Amino acid sequence: DTEVTQTPKHLVMGMTNKKSLKCEQHMGHRAMYWYKQKAKKPPELMFVYSYEKLSINESVPSRFSPECPNSSLLNLHLHALQPEDSALYLCASSQALRSGGHYNEQFFGPGTRLTVL
Amino acid sequence: GQQVMQIPQYQHVQEGEDFTTYCNSSTTLSNIQWYKQRPGGHPVFLIQLVKSGEVKKQKRLTFQFGEAKKNSSLHITATQTTDVGTYFCAGIGSGNTGKLIFGQGTTLQVKP
Repeated sequence: DTEVTQTPKHLVMGMTNKKSLKCEQHMGHRAMYWYKQKAKKPPELMFVYSYEKLSINESVPSRFSPECPNSSLLNLHLHALQPEDSALYLCASSQALRSGGHYNEQFFGPGTRLTVL
Repeated sequence: GQQVMQIPQYQHVQEGEDFTTYCNSSTTLSNIQWYKQRPGGHPVFLIQLVKSGEVKKQKRLTFQFGEAKKNSSLHITATQTTDVGTYFCAGIGSGNTGKLIFGQGTTLQVKP
């Protein structure tokens, strides 16, 4: 299994809703990432987990709450989002942050397209 | 903060023409990765360059890493319609904890 899966594919939510995005990989990767991508822009890093511990938080608002229950799963809990949070949310994984002194390639999932009304 | 600039933003070519996209970093990079994102798709890893002056080839794609490890390029020879998409370079600075700094991307359109 060489893919990263994400659910749901599409999500529409109101500003008062609570929802969660899920990401799963079975490649034995120990680093997992959340990115946000707006149309015609590059992915922006939000969070990095390394060995199930939060390694990087790119000053993301607290209405986004990541969780890594185990080495295969990564969740992103959403609460009280704003319309400007509408975007494609991408999960990625890599073997580790670094191997042999070099950073590893990242495998991206298909993303969840989020619309906040 | 560290920035990676990528040009051009868009490129339209006739099928069979060559294509090149360039990336420049404000600081020395530990390594640089290239990704391709098809329309409606997600980024897919193409290659990683780690050595100064490194050149790698994948069929019609040639990747270069500058001698100073601050710039990189991707050249596609004889483009095909399957090459359509957005190409991103992504650098990691020395001393960085693993954050990829993406360039703005170059969107390639190929006319058949």
